[in-house]
Amino acid sequence: SQQGEEDPQALSIQEGENATMNCSYKTSINNLQWYRQNSGRGLVHLILIRSNEREKHSGRLRVTLDTSKKSSSLLITASRAADTASYFCATDADGNKLVFGAGTILRVKS
Amino acid sequence: NAGVMQNPRHLVRRRGQEARLRCSPMKGHSHVYWYRQLPEEGLKFMVYLQKENIIDESGMPKERFSAEFPKEGPSILRIQQVVRGDSAAYFCASSPTSGSNEQFFGPGTRLTVL
Repeated sequence: SQQGEEDPQALSIQEGENATMNCSYKTSINNLQWYRQNSGRGLVHLILIRSNEREKHSGRLRVTLDTSKKSSSLLITASRAADTASYFCATDADGNKLVFGAGTILRVKS
Repeated sequence: NAGVMQNPRHLVRRRGQEARLRCSPMKGHSHVYWYRQLPEEGLKFMVYLQKENIIDESGMPKERFSAEFPKEGPSILRIQQVVRGDSAAYFCASSPTSGSNEQFFGPGTRLTVL
């Protein structure tokens, strides 16, 4: 199976609630990145966390990385309808190509 | 500083025709990556290029697909004799250096093969 697998596959929440998405991977990595993709659009880079970091914040986003469990989580606090999108984690194992998971589809209902 | 540019945004081809997808990296970026996204799936790496060199083409199908990044001009992903299974979104990304850095993505080219 592929590197970088997200769960859940789909998540539906009410506006104002928090959304947590998880990502697991199989090999050692240099860094892990999270991207957002609105329907039919390109990817927007959200946050990069390096293998020697455990937690990182950016606005309403909080990312954790546990290299011992080969997993990461993305938390979006106080969600908004505009956060509705697909979220992908991508791992960088060999310093060049990114390996993406299948993504989590987040729907925030207003 | 303009972002990564891709054109065309949408491309329709009949089976057997050729598709040419173009990518202009961000200014100052000399590393280009091509990814393909099938419907309801994540992106899959195809090829990594630097100016005039293919560095890693491990994700590229062996036949019909080729890529280049000439000294002057955009990077080109070329698909010959397209088949329906080539229908997908093709994304280009660029970075200023290799290694563990953020890749900046373009808006993608959506290829539809009739």
